[in-house]
Amino acid sequence: AQTVTQSQPEMSVQEAETVTLSCTYDTSESDYYLFWYKQPPSRQMILVIRQEAYKQQNATENRFSVNFQKAAKSFSLKISDSQLGDAAMYFCAYRSLLSNFGNEKLTFGTGTRLTIIP
Amino acid sequence: EPEVTQTPSHQVTQMGQEVILRCVPISNHLYFYWYRQILGQKVEFLVSFYNNEISEKSEIFDDQFSVERPDGSNFTLKIRSTKLEDSAMYFCASTFEDSSLLDTQYFGPGTRLTVL
Repeated sequence: AQTVTQSQPEMSVQEAETVTLSCTYDTSESDYYLFWYKQPPSRQMILVIRQEAYKQQNATENRFSVNFQKAAKSFSLKISDSQLGDAAMYFCAYRSLLSNFGNEKLTFGTGTRLTIIP
Repeated sequence: EPEVTQTPSHQVTQMGQEVILRCVPISNHLYFYWYRQILGQKVEFLVSFYNNEISEKSEIFDDQFSVERPDGSNFTLKIRSTKLEDSAMYFCASTFEDSSLLDTQYFGPGTRLTVL
């Protein structure tokens, strides 16, 4: 079974600065997807960014980018120019690609609570 | 932009009562999921559903839980006899599998279930 580990329960960053959230995972599979979801106080789960394991190029979405190190099984999220609206719980998630029907579940980490300091 | 919707947003029930949580997935999506999140803990998979049957379920999803898609648009989670430990946020998600796209599970806003 796959596991996802987020070793930073809480992080804080000054507004406009850059912060990196860590995520590691354990799998024996070669093809999979990785995701970062954001959960603001409303508790809705919002997709931030996604990465296909076979792609060497790191995904980027505006101020959000990842550092995907497949050999090290590491998938960190970098938030540049942090804004007050970025304050939330951030979850790293893994999705296998083995199922013929493609209906694989997401396995989540325990989350990192990000605080933005004005 | 299409979105997953869930009703109610908050459900309060007495222990032992039955509850039904409702979800309307995105209309062209084919795969449906329920997850739950106990307060302060991580999101946990409950069940996945495709082609009108359960594809996979976790050990949390015991005989007290059931899912169905009664009318082609709604996707429901029923808990037959609620327990205190069922208090949690329940998220519905859906996805459309397309080999040319990186599929993503889109989540609804959640239903907060409180069992007294």
